[in-house]
Amino acid sequence: DGGITQSPKYLFRKEGQNVTLSCEQNLNHDAMYWYRQDPGQGLRLIYYSQIVNDFQKGDIAEGYSVSREKKESFPLTVTSAQKNPTAFYLCASSIVSGHNEQFFGPGTRLTVL
Amino acid sequence: AQSVTQLGSHVSVSEGALVLLRCNYSSSVPPYLFWYVQYPNQGLQLLLKYTSAATLVKGINGFEAEFKKSETSFHLTKPSAHMSDAAEYFCAVSDRYAGGTSYGKLTFGQGTILTVHP
Repeated sequence: DGGITQSPKYLFRKEGQNVTLSCEQNLNHDAMYWYRQDPGQGLRLIYYSQIVNDFQKGDIAEGYSVSREKKESFPLTVTSAQKNPTAFYLCASSIVSGHNEQFFGPGTRLTVL
Repeated sequence: AQSVTQLGSHVSVSEGALVLLRCNYSSSVPPYLFWYVQYPNQGLQLLLKYTSAATLVKGINGFEAEFKKSETSFHLTKPSAHMSDAAEYFCAVSDRYAGGTSYGKLTFGQGTILTVHP
């Protein structure tokens, strides 16, 4: 079955540590996205990539980094510079077309202890 | 810049009653519009989308939405609520492809939590 996988489902981190969230898709989509979700704030875009080896900052990129070395993979690193990293993180992908329907993974809940 | 406003962060209905979730958008160009549903601790699932064909769009699970350009609205409705409809719903807008690095971005509303009472 085609889809998007995110791992791990739950992640705990100590303050000052970097952590990497995994996102893999087998939908053959060119575009991939990372969102952060906080209660009552909807989804906020962190980074997105339309093609391998290229990515763009979203609305809240500070304290995060990404890479896009393969079409299928778009890992997100939450660095120690992110002041309030506890949140639910969602990865999505889409084809590059006018309709821009995004397909979402199941999410990773990150908690900083 | 595009934006989405969902009126009402919480909506409560009785089972069998009409569901109405409100969404108004702002966009400088003709938009694409989407409704997504999210169950607790899960990702988002597409309910329906408007892509400039019919203004009344039918989606999954009996939901539908009507695009009204004059009101810049895209409200989501379902004639009869079911307990399984309890979830959070997000409206989103996307500009049509205009080239450049801004393509591909969805702007989401704040979400509306739907509660269904027996």
